[in-house]
Amino acid sequence: EVQLLESGGGLVQPGGSLRLSCAASGFTFSPYAMSWVRQAPGQGLEWVSSISATDGRTDYADFVEGRFTISRDNSKNTLYLRMNSLRAEDTAVYYCARLSSAIENWGQGTLVTVSS
Amino acid sequence: DIQMTQSPSTLSSSVGDRVTITCRASQSVYSWLAWYQQKPGKAPKALIYEASSLQGGVPSRFSGSGSGTEFTLTISSLQPDDFATYYCQQYNTYPWTFGQGTKVEVK
Repeated sequence: EVQLLESGGGLVQPGGSLRLSCAASGFTFSPYAMSWVRQAPGQGLEWVSSISATDGRTDYADFVEGRFTISRDNSKNTLYLRMNSLRAEDTAVYYCARLSSAIENWGQGTLVTVSS
Repeated sequence: DIQMTQSPSTLSSSVGDRVTITCRASQSVYSWLAWYQQKPGKAPKALIYEASSLQGGVPSRFSGSGSGTEFTLTISSLQPDDFATYYCQQYNTYPWTFGQGTKVEVK
């Protein structure tokens, strides 16, 4: 069974940093592209970033503006999202997702709250 | 960016009803269109990819159609477990974009 387990969320002050992790299990991690998608409280889904399986290509939403970095460690079956210069509007549940054509599997999410 | 617009925003329906949700893209996404179901407090669940292909384990009462800029998600006979919010998403072009969601509620 495919499992994606996010961690690293929490309360952070504006301007602060966090690193989210997503531990993958139940499948061979390295051949799959992966993504992060977020959902602000009471709002819809918003794509954040994706990373390819093979060449390490990364893509980001416009609102990231160089503040976030997606990465992966295939030896640890783990996906990361480093978030710097966090803003109040980054408050959301962040979901890790496995891609196979579209998003095929979602993690349960980790809540990031940016507030003073 | 490609804008995705779903209609209606809310749909009041009864068990057994045939339900249709429409998703329109601001430019062609070919068939690179997916649908997801989300229940309150839960992660989304993948239903359909490439506009009309059912993800594994998804009941056959769900179906998708369309290409280019207009797509539909149909539930042939609404079941109690289907009351949820549904999102479309284009993955033809970065940045990937989602529709605003359609809430299917009890009539």
